[in-house]
Amino acid sequence: QVQLQESGPGLVKPSQTLSLSCTVSGAVVDSSGLNWAWLRQNSGKDLEWMGSIFSSGSGHYNPSLRGRLSLSVDTRENQIALKMISVTAADSGVYYCARHNNFFDLWGHGTMVTVSS
Amino acid sequence: DIQMTQSPSSLSASVGDRVTITCQASQDVNKNLHWYQQKPGKAPKLLIYNTSNLQTGVPSRFSGRGSGTHFTFTINNLQPEDFATYYCQQSGNFPPGITFGRGTRLESK
Repeated sequence: QVQLQESGPGLVKPSQTLSLSCTVSGAVVDSSGLNWAWLRQNSGKDLEWMGSIFSSGSGHYNPSLRGRLSLSVDTRENQIALKMISVTAADSGVYYCARHNNFFDLWGHGTMVTVSS
Repeated sequence: DIQMTQSPSSLSASVGDRVTITCQASQDVNKNLHWYQQKPGKAPKLLIYNTSNLQTGVPSRFSGRGSGTHFTFTINNLQPEDFATYYCQQSGNFPPGITFGRGTRLESK
C-alpha cells in the first residue's frame, strides 16, 4: 500500500530556508491523478494546510504563505519537496505530507521542525 | 478565507455515550466538509469525507451530516479507543483555501 515518510532537519535558524522531503512508497509520485499536500501543526495543535501540488503540475498555496513556500516533485527520488524561505519561530511545529483528494486520506507520520538560533 | 468554528473545544463522555461535535463555516462550503481523528503523537486520520461518507475501514458508529455552513459529527456507542481530538476541514473554496476547525478534545469522564 502507499506510504509517506517525511524527512528533514529538526532544527533551522531564523531567517534561513527550511527544506523537507516526503518519500512516497507504493506509488509513482507523478502518476496521473495523484495529488500531494504539505500541512503543519503548531504546538497549540492547530492544523494548517500549507500547499498542494497536483499531477497536472500546478501548485496551490495557502495565501498566508505565498511568496515563501514552494513545492515540487522529484521523480528520481519519488519524493515531494517543500522549501520555505525566511522562517521564524512561528514556523515551528510538526510538518506532514499527505495525499490530497479534496480531503487528505493518507498522511505521513510527520517530522518535527524547530526554528531557533 | 473561510473560517471554521468548531464546538465544543472539549468534551467529557463515557463509554457507550453518544457525542456530537459541530462545525460552522463562515461561508457556504456545499458538501466539502471532512472529519479527522487524531491521537497523541500520531498524524490525523480521515474518518468522514464530503460530509457523510465513511472512509474505508472506519466503524459505522461514526457519522456526519449537514450542508452549506452547518455540519455535525456524531459518535454513537462511544468506545475506549475513540477518546482523541477531532477536527473538521473544509475544501469548499479550494483553490485557494483549505481550512481546519480548531479541534474538539474528547476525554473520558
